[in-house]
Amino acid sequence: DAGITQSPRHKVTETGTPVTLRCHQTENHRYMYWYRQDPGHGLRLIHYSYGVKDTDKGEVSDGYSVSRSKTEDFLLTLESATSSQTSVYFCAISESQATNEKLFFGSGTQLSVL
Amino acid sequence: SQQGEEDPQALSIQEGENATMNCSYKTSINNLQWYRQNSGRGLVHLILIRSNEREKHSGRLRVTLDTSKKSSSLLITASRAADTASYFCATAMEYGNKLVFGAGTILRVKS
Repeated sequence: DAGITQSPRHKVTETGTPVTLRCHQTENHRYMYWYRQDPGHGLRLIHYSYGVKDTDKGEVSDGYSVSRSKTEDFLLTLESATSSQTSVYFCAISESQATNEKLFFGSGTQLSVL
Repeated sequence: SQQGEEDPQALSIQEGENATMNCSYKTSINNLQWYRQNSGRGLVHLILIRSNEREKHSGRLRVTLDTSKKSSSLLITASRAADTASYFCATAMEYGNKLVFGAGTILRVKS
């Protein structure tokens, strides 16, 4: 999976708790993305980063925050997890803007919020 | 809302047959990309076609793009059981820097 590691691979948590998912890349790509995948919705963009400390919102950013303090790491935090955030979360990277370049995806994190 | 929508939602064929999946979108695009996802795995990029291109080939894959109809098709020729997967189209908007994915087509190739 193109030098992208997501951790953890599986997590079960309780409603109201904070959760942090980590994406680590070894490709030195500038752009990093967090998507969630739900049945019938395909992949929806949560947040993305276009450089260290440079992030922006996607279409489903409410309830999520991100941080990128190093090129290789992009963290996704669910500030207070809700059952609607049960999903599979994918990290993706690209060398340049996604509008011009293909994405490489990690293997995903299955998150269950009970 | 989704920009790209795939059709059909699911497709079941015999090994050796061709599989065709379609994608329709709503607004002007810079390019359109197709991805494959095997069960439990991340998406893998298959092919990218730019708005000024009409057809592209990669091995057994053929992608067409009709910007006047805002639609694309992915043809997999001589399918194999290993082609069983979900296939997604993703559109890169003409303005902006995000890819928007459709809900996907589930392809099952029976051996």
